[in-house]
Amino acid sequence: QQQVKQSPQSLIVQKGGISIINCAYENTAFDYFPWYQQFPGKGPALLIAIRPDVSEKKEGRFTISFNKSAKQFSLHIMDSQPGDSATYFCAPHSNTGKLIFGQGTTLQVKP
Amino acid sequence: ETGVTQSPTHLIKTRGQQVTLRCSSQSGHNTVSWYQQALGQGPQFIFQYYREEENGRGNFPPRFSGLQFPNYSSELNVNALELDDSALYLCASSLNGNEKLFFGSGTQLSVL
Repeated sequence: QQQVKQSPQSLIVQKGGISIINCAYENTAFDYFPWYQQFPGKGPALLIAIRPDVSEKKEGRFTISFNKSAKQFSLHIMDSQPGDSATYFCAPHSNTGKLIFGQGTTLQVKP
Repeated sequence: ETGVTQSPTHLIKTRGQQVTLRCSSQSGHNTVSWYQQALGQGPQFIFQYYREEENGRGNFPPRFSGLQFPNYSSELNVNALELDDSALYLCASSLNGNEKLFFGSGTQLSVL
């Protein structure tokens, strides 16, 4: 688990604000960089992902920014909504076939 | 198309007992992975099965074992349960080991 460090641990944002979650990794063999969203009582669900040959990917209100040289990638949630309140995990994929999850960030969006 | 289903949803066992958790993969998916998620932590990889063969294992002792059936459903078996085995056990399926995993809602195991 030390291979992936996620920050912050928790985040409170006002409705309409921008939520930013960061992930730092060590293993340069990672080849796929997803973010998962998990609601209480549910399993993680793939939210958005990026490959290392691209620096940014946007899907609706969600954007991933990827910095290969710094070994970091981040999730930006624009116009955050109360329904976005959940736990978010970065989970880079290793060439051994497994996802390495970060510790998680609990996001609360206040109305 | 059905998603990943796991059973049971909750389970209470006593230390030293054995448990079997079950998972049905998403339609068309031939790869199943199991993860353990302790409270307040990210999921940790246990092992992966591809076409009925173990295809990668995380840092878990041999008392964690698995099986995949011809219909690609899977079982996770844990022997000699310990208190620290209390966690949410997640099953995820994918096609041909693809990195896009689809998770079930998990089995919450409590060991007393």
